Amino acid sequence: QAVVTQEPSLTVSPGGTVTLTCGSNTGAVTSGHYPYWFQQRPGQVPRTLIYDTSNKHSWTPARFSGSLLGGKAALTLAGAQPEDEAEYFCFLSISGVRVFGGGTKLTVL
Amino acid sequence: QVQLVQSGAEVKKPGASVRLSCKASGYTFTDYYIHWVRRAPGQGLEWMGWISTNTGRTVYAQNFQGRFTMSRDTSMSTVYMELSRLVSDDTALYYCARFDRGDAPWGRGTLVTVSP
Repeated sequence: QAVVTQEPSLTVSPGGTVTLTCGSNTGAVTSGHYPYWFQQRPGQVPRTLIYDTSNKHSWTPARFSGSLLGGKAALTLAGAQPEDEAEYFCFLSISGVRVFGGGTKLTVL
Repeated sequence: QVQLVQSGAEVKKPGASVRLSCKASGYTFTDYYIHWVRRAPGQGLEWMGWISTNTGRTVYAQNFQGRFTMSRDTSMSTVYMELSRLVSDDTALYYCARFDRGDAPWGRGTLVTVSP
């Protein structure tokens, strides 16, 4: 069974830049895994930030971007704001099923 | 507006089954798959499966095969999920959601508590 790995926690300073990554034990993550990134703030419903590696929804702040980096999917936040403190989950399509990563708890401090 | 409205909280005993619903509105029901996702206390998001609202085809996560069933009623624009042989680890918030390039809505979640 596929396992998707993320950093358990990261800290970024207000205004700073941080990159979250998403790897798979099945090999390099590619665009064919259709990476998604979700944000979930405490007590709130998750929302999609990025779909299909790098595409943004209309509500996705411009400071978020998605890419592929070194065999992983990546979510970069440039210019962190206090409201970006949340958990971030990546989501891959692997052999016809979908798998979430364990999530990264991002602290803005 | 586009929304997914989920049924209310449930309390079940171990070994029982639970059936949840997810009613879609504001768009053509059969145009989009619906996924089910859960989040247990202290855990991350867990994908359970998807259903094609057009054909009824389903794909299940390996962890749930055999005790998780999804169905849909196109006349009611509603998707159903049923989880059987409940154990305490099934205590979680269960979400229905669309993962797509458009509105990509999530339901607000249904809390299922499994307790003796």
